[in-house]
Amino acid sequence: NAGVTQTPKFQVLKTGQSMTLQCAQDMNHEYMSWYRQDPGMGLRLIHYSVGAGITDQGEVPNGYNVSRSTTEDFPLRLLSAAPSQTSVYFCASSYSAGTYEQYFGPGTRLTVT
Amino acid sequence: DAKTTQPNSMESNEEEPVHLPCNHSTISGTDYIHWYRQLPSQGPEYVIHGLTSNVNNRMASLAIAEDRKSSTLILHRATLRDAAVYYCIAGGTSYGKLTFGQGTILTVHP
Repeated sequence: NAGVTQTPKFQVLKTGQSMTLQCAQDMNHEYMSWYRQDPGMGLRLIHYSVGAGITDQGEVPNGYNVSRSTTEDFPLRLLSAAPSQTSVYFCASSYSAGTYEQYFGPGTRLTVT
Repeated sequence: DAKTTQPNSMESNEEEPVHLPCNHSTISGTDYIHWYRQLPSQGPEYVIHGLTSNVNNRMASLAIAEDRKSSTLILHRATLRDAAVYYCIAGGTSYGKLTFGQGTILTVHP
């Protein structure tokens, strides 16, 4: 199993550009989520999904969109990048929403200039 | 989720035990205690979780106070690879949401 994979590893955007961060898992997990981590801080939940076709907002959803058309993939879209979105983004998955062990991807480091 | 308080940093020597404390005085009766760790430049990694009784797994042990207002993550023999930020989370993981604080930076000396 590859586990949770994220692409790209690094990305630089200009203010106003849009892009999609990719996340995929091959463990047949129902639950997937996106977090962001700013320097020296803990992770904050952006969006999550309890299964294909079902998504909901987390703590900091503004400026981000998600969709979940398959169990394996959970892309995160930045609609119009802002410098405040400079961060490291982590995708996570678990067997179900009630499962306590979550698996995290290696992260995407995004810089918005 | 309950608020957790952890020391900002701790140090240990290789092959010695490490006790990482966490206070969660507002924890509710159904809140689990979870520990994750984050190695440099990596995503968080699950370590252990428990509700009331002490728990052991291949990575660590979790000792939970009888009143559940505090807990301690125990690494029995620290290695250099255990140097990481350790996060204590007290909550029900409603819909899998984890609330991360700032964690404890563990430094392991050779």
